[in-house]
Amino acid sequence: DVKVTQSSRYLVKRTGEKVFLECVQDMDHENMFWYRQDPGLGLRLIYFSYDVKMKEKGDIPEGYSVSREKKERFSLILESASTNQTSMYLCASSLWTGLWETQYFGPGTRLLVL
Amino acid sequence: DQQVKQNSPSLSVQEGRISILNCDYTNSMFDYFLWYKKYPAEGPTFLISISSIKDKNEDGRFTVFLNKSAKHLSLHIVPSQPGDSAVYFCAASSPSGSRLTFGEGTQLTVNP
Repeated sequence: DVKVTQSSRYLVKRTGEKVFLECVQDMDHENMFWYRQDPGLGLRLIYFSYDVKMKEKGDIPEGYSVSREKKERFSLILESASTNQTSMYLCASSLWTGLWETQYFGPGTRLLVL
Repeated sequence: DQQVKQNSPSLSVQEGRISILNCDYTNSMFDYFLWYKKYPAEGPTFLISISSIKDKNEDGRFTVFLNKSAKHLSLHIVPSQPGDSAVYFCAASSPSGSRLTFGEGTQLTVNP
């Protein structure tokens, strides 16, 4: 079974703080993704990575950065948290096949920025 | 622009009946489609998928239908059970990469 874990289930931070969200997968997947989920907006892609030290912007990268120093770990960084970044953050991974890949998700981190 | 749309934010059905969740897409390059199920405070779990070379895929109580000419897919759950109550997301990918584009989700409630 694919296992994707996220460092925190719930997090409360203050405006302006730097926030780190960690994601680890144990299936040797090449691809890793960060999404945020907001009511009525579905899942929106923030950043993704095809390989170690590689990153690509998704649809809503503003205010975020990422780090992938090891294949199994993908970190999302909020450089200066703002209230509009209050959301559910979901990490996912997938095996690169070049064709019809399925993503597997972690349990999510509910972030509240005050 | 919203390339994958789920026009019904919610759906309520009786236990034992059929649930039909719909999804429309605009990008004709999409060739792989997935449905995910999400309970509150949990991550989405993969449910079923279909590639563009097929028009139907079945797995137990779940069947996904793809109508490429209409750019429409649907998920049928028969019979529906109270444990199926969750938010369902459809997603699509194109041959050019590994990223998925998600719809807004439909909250399914199955009443006992």
